[in-house]
Amino acid sequence: AQKVTQAQTEISVVEKEDVTLDCVYETRDTTYYLFWYKQPPSGELVFLIRRNSFDEQNEISGRYSWNFQKSTSSFNFTITASQVVDSAVYFCALSEGGGSTLGRLYFGRGTQLTVWP
Amino acid sequence: GAVVSQHPSRVICKSGTSVKIECRSLDFQATTMFWYRQFPKQSLMLMATSNEGSKATYEQGVEKDKFLINHASLTLSTLTVTSAHPEDSSFYICSAINGYYGYTFGSGTRLTVV
Repeated sequence: AQKVTQAQTEISVVEKEDVTLDCVYETRDTTYYLFWYKQPPSGELVFLIRRNSFDEQNEISGRYSWNFQKSTSSFNFTITASQVVDSAVYFCALSEGGGSTLGRLYFGRGTQLTVWP
Repeated sequence: GAVVSQHPSRVICKSGTSVKIECRSLDFQATTMFWYRQFPKQSLMLMATSNEGSKATYEQGVEKDKFLINHASLTLSTLTVTSAHPEDSSFYICSAINGYYGYTFGSGTRLTVV
């Protein structure tokens, strides 16, 4: 079973629209970390956010915001007033366990976001 | 911030030859390094986990004799694709654990086997 599900394969919006990328995760651990990464065409992964399982507070960073809801095992990502430069593949990822070091990352399949001018 | 330098960024090699990809942590010690492979329009698939000074742990279905991983120091891990074939053409990316971000990724290596 997929530990991280990103049901939206591709999303297209027009510039200035708001867009939400969905992420649903599955884990039996009580301590875990959730991540979002951006992958532009160059291929490099750009870190966006890390959230631990004990911190359900939503976060806003500029045009980006994240909604973490343990009750629905979701960690959704919203871009407000999208821009062409936001076009990329976005990955949600999960790391389980809360020991002294992080374990492997489980990636979702990614959502290709295209923002049209 | 923490940086992992990955080289080469692109490589084209002939079928049957070997290719080495290097990942260096520039300003931190990478005790653990993860190696991923990504096919076009697909997600990152973990190939193996390497810990400094010990043998790498490979994921199911990944041939350890074909994808040789060496992690001899805290700042350098290498992946060697031996006897490469066209089906090995892919995007390879390494990742090291660091304190704040959790993981620092290399910039990736696009391998094309002709």
